[in-house]
Amino acid sequence: NAGVMQNPRHLVRRRGQEARLRCSPMKGHSHVYWYRQLPEEGLKFMVYLQKENIIDESGMPKERFSAEFPKEGPSILRIQQVVRGDSAAYFCASSPRQRGPITEAFFGQGTRLTVV
Amino acid sequence: LAKTTQPISMDSYEGQEVNITCSHNNIATNDYITWYQQFPSQGPRFIIQGYKTKVTNEVASLFIPADRKSSTLSLPRVSLSDTAVYYCLVVSYNTDKLIFGTGTRLQVFP
Repeated sequence: NAGVMQNPRHLVRRRGQEARLRCSPMKGHSHVYWYRQLPEEGLKFMVYLQKENIIDESGMPKERFSAEFPKEGPSILRIQQVVRGDSAAYFCASSPRQRGPITEAFFGQGTRLTVV
Repeated sequence: LAKTTQPISMDSYEGQEVNITCSHNNIATNDYITWYQQFPSQGPRFIIQGYKTKVTNEVASLFIPADRKSSTLSLPRVSLSDTAVYYCLVVSYNTDKLIFGTGTRLQVFP
């Protein structure tokens, strides 16, 4: 059972370009979370999705950022018109999210976005 | 969600036991305490979760006093490979997301 797969691992974009980050959850997991981590800082929650639904996007910047988790295929975090401040590591996590507290979320290796 | 407070950093030597304490004074009845570990350039990894008293697995032990206002993650006989950031999280029964703080940066020396 493969873990959470994120690609690309490293992404370089020029200011103003679009960045697309992909996340394939673990098999059987229908809940996906995206986090952003700046250097030497903790992880900041961005968005929580289930298949075809955004459940909680309270951590997403109001502009330029969007996320989806279609019925088929990976979850996508999309950043339009990137700026240098978007440079960070973006982590995806998945869980089976049964009833009760989140006991364990599985994280991917992350995508390191560098905006030049 | 209850706010957590933990030391910014800790140093230890190989073979020692390391105890990292986390304060969560406003923890609610339905909240659980969860710890994650993050190595450089990797995503966090779940270590352990508990509600009260003591929980032990093959990696660590988690001690939670009766008032549940704090918890202690205990790592027995650490090695260099335990050098990482350790996050204490309070997770509500019906929460939809994990909220990470700044964590404790543990450095293990030979």
